[in-house]
Amino acid sequence: DSGVTQTPKHLITATGQRVTLRCSPRSGDLSVYWYQQSLDQGLQFLIQYYNGEERAKGNILERFSAQQFPDLHSELNLSSLELGDSALYFCASTARDGGYTFGSGTRLTVV
Amino acid sequence: DAKTTQPNSMESNEEEPVHLPCNHSTISGTDYIHWYRQLPSQGPEYVIHGLTSNVNNRMASLAIAEDRKSSTLILHRATLRDAAVYYCILRGPSTMNYGGATNKLIFGTGTLLAVQP
Repeated sequence: DSGVTQTPKHLITATGQRVTLRCSPRSGDLSVYWYQQSLDQGLQFLIQYYNGEERAKGNILERFSAQQFPDLHSELNLSSLELGDSALYFCASTARDGGYTFGSGTRLTVV
Repeated sequence: DAKTTQPNSMESNEEEPVHLPCNHSTISGTDYIHWYRQLPSQGPEYVIHGLTSNVNNRMASLAIAEDRKSSTLILHRATLRDAAVYYCILRGPSTMNYGGATNKLIFGTGTLLAVQP
């Protein structure tokens, strides 16, 4: 157990639908990073939050959004889903020692 | 973000040392060198990181060239559980912007390490 918790582990949904992925960082970590990993794209950085505020944006589609709540958990919302959104979605948090800890991911399948 | 170059794949035998190379000729003076690995269907796992000096931990050693343009991750005795994709990543220093840190990791394609019994 890395200390970063992601739910659900698996999600199957239809095209056009909307889903929410949840991430709880390690206790005491203020940053949350979201990554998407598909077979043909590798690990792509999506977005980062720090203590409730957006800090950096990567290759995140307009159909996707995220937020971080006062208790520091974060949610990634994916809407108008397409087949190409099928991927593993990881979140990570950081500690002061500089290491990043990743969760075990959510596998999203869009059918 | 500065770029790293790694071999696509490497093979090793169990219980032998493994040296995974990484070139980063455009590294800046403040970039940290991070290594992560990813086992199949799992999230990336932190291995080690360093700035200028060689580093050791329970998982591996990191040897950094004097000019910092290359580094080598050393697994002292490979096991079957070390078979994974290994990523070498340059990460800038924590930049405190409006009270927050902007130091995301940008992953490349990594090196797929196969370990033979």
